[in-house]
Amino acid sequence: SQELEQSPQSLIVQEGKNLTINCTSSKTLYGLYWYKQKYGEGLIFLMMLQKGGEEKSHEKITAKLDEKKQQSSLHITASQPSHAGIYLCGADILFDTDKLIFGTGTRLQVFP
Amino acid sequence: GAVVSQHPSRVICKSGTSVKIECRSLDFQATTMFWYRQFPKKSLMLMATSNEGSKATYEQGVEKDKFLINHASLTLSTLTVTSAHPEDSSFYICSARVLGQDTEAFFGQGTRLTVV
Repeated sequence: SQELEQSPQSLIVQEGKNLTINCTSSKTLYGLYWYKQKYGEGLIFLMMLQKGGEEKSHEKITAKLDEKKQQSSLHITASQPSHAGIYLCGADILFDTDKLIFGTGTRLQVFP
Repeated sequence: GAVVSQHPSRVICKSGTSVKIECRSLDFQATTMFWYRQFPKKSLMLMATSNEGSKATYEQGVEKDKFLINHASLTLSTLTVTSAHPEDSSFYICSARVLGQDTEAFFGQGTRLTVV
């Protein structure tokens, strides 16, 4: 089974709307990363969260890691077409930290 | 941020031939490199983790004899798809990281492999 689940799998929103993407782990996380990808291209690092309850923002994107460090949410405020892409959460799993695994991905489309 | 260069970006090969993909960290020493495979409209699937100077650790279901990984130096890892078949066609991405988990992983731009 997938260790990192993202929801929703896809999202279509109107420009200007807010949206949230969730990432849930079946195990306790050491670190949680959010990346954005345009399909067929490399990944763009958005932010990294390590402490339970930690919240970080970058421009109109905010991500938070819950206290138990098993779930993270990514929130985009006033979405724009430039936000469109695939959002991936990546994680270091506690006690299995040699590998960086990824969630199932969320495909975001923003229409004018 | 740090730069990871992956080469080639696209390759088309005949069935039965082998293809080598290179992943270089240009401005830092990567103690750990990861290789991922991505199917259309899917997330990244971790294939293997390699540490410089040691054998790669392959994920379950990934054939180590099929996907040869060499991490010969702190700045270079290679993935060789041996005896490629059409089902090996995919998008492959490498990632490089400095020792320890407190840093982000830097990604190459990916390689689109098409086996005909």
